[in-house]
This record gives sequence, structure tokens and C-alpha cells, in this order.
Amino acid sequence: QVQLVQSGAEVKKPGASVRLSCKASGYMFSAYSIHWVRQVPGQGLEWMGWIVGGTGETQYSEKLQGRVTISRDASATTAYMALSSLTSEDTGVYFCARRLTVAGYDYWGQGTLVTVSS
Amino acid sequence: EIVLTQSPSTLSLSPGESVTLSCRASQTITRGWFAWYQQKPGQAPRLVIFGASNRASGFPDRFSGGGSGTDFTLSISGLEPEDFAVYYCQQYESTAITFGQGTRLEIK
Repeated sequence: QVQLVQSGAEVKKPGASVRLSCKASGYMFSAYSIHWVRQVPGQGLEWMGWIVGGTGETQYSEKLQGRVTISRDASATTAYMALSSLTSEDTGVYFCARRLTVAGYDYWGQGTLVTVSS
Repeated sequence: EIVLTQSPSTLSLSPGESVTLSCRASQTITRGWFAWYQQKPGQAPRLVIFGASNRASGFPDRFSGGGSGTDFTLSISGLEPEDFAVYYCQQYESTAITFGQGTRLEIK
């Protein structure tokens, strides 16, 4: 069965960087894109960017451009999301999700809590 | 970017009632690449409707999606206790994917 398993919770200081992972299994990794979506406490969902599993092509949110980097290790069927220059406003839960081109996000990871605090 | 505005922000209803949630886009969604997600506390969102009107696996036929262009709806007929959650709309047509701010469906 399709699974996306994310890395564990992180606590970072302001100005630091964080790198999260999303291990995919149960499907052909190269045939889909992996997207990253975050949720600030008590707020809605914010799309951050995506990577195509096969080609490694990426696209980022304009708001986060320059601070976010999405990569993948196709041999390990794992996607990564790195976010730099962290502030308290980056505190939240970060999700990875598989996108089926015409059908949105059909599978999601369990989420990773990132806390930015001095 | 395409801004999605959901209404209302919160709805208080009783089990058994029916409801229609709305989402309006700031630009026309030409290909109908539009989805609805359900999120319960402490959980990841779940895909409910994709392609504006196609029900995702695991959701019963009391859930239905409709609309086109800039106006989309999610209808739930005969609310069950497990349906009370936050619902988000999403457009995945443009390069910059966007979500609505969510509608909270709570038990009266």
C-alpha cells in the first residue's frame, strides 16, 4: 500500500535551518510528484513547493523562494525539504503529499512538527 | 496567484442535517482541477473530492462536489458524527497551488 513516512519532530533556534524527509513506498516513485504543505498553528494549509520524483524538477512558492529547497533521492524513494533562516513564524506542522496530476493530493505523510524557539 | 475564499468560516449543525460549503476562486479554474479535503484534529488532510466532482475512495455518496469556473461547492447530505471536521478547498491547476482558509463544521 502507498505510504509516505516523515521524519520526526524538530526544535530549532531562530536563524537556523531544518531539513525534513519523506520516505515513499508502495508505488513507482518516479511517476509522481511530491509536494510539501505546511500548517501554522490554528491556521490553514500553505503550499510550499513540489518535486517530480523522476526528473527532480522543482517549483517553489514565491513567498518562500530563496529559503526553501526541495530535493529527492530517487534510489531511496525519499524526498527532502530544507527551510533556512527560520523564524517563529515557521513553527508549524509540515506535510508531504503525493500528487496524482489530475486528482490532487491522494496520499499524505503523517506530518512533522517544527518548533522554532530561542 | 489564485485566491480561494471559503464561506462560511464556521457552521454549527446537528447530525442528520445536510450542508453545502462554498468556495470562490479569484480567477477561472478552466480545467476543473479543484479539490476538497477533510481534516480532523491532529491528522493529515484527506482528499474528499477531486476534479471538482469526483469522489475519492473511502468517502460515501453522501459527499458530492459541484461547480465550475470560479464557484465550487461541497455538499454533504445527512451529516454523520464523523463528518464534523474542517474542510479545505484547493485549486491545483496553476503552478502556484492554493488552498482556501477552511470551513469548520462543528456539532451544534
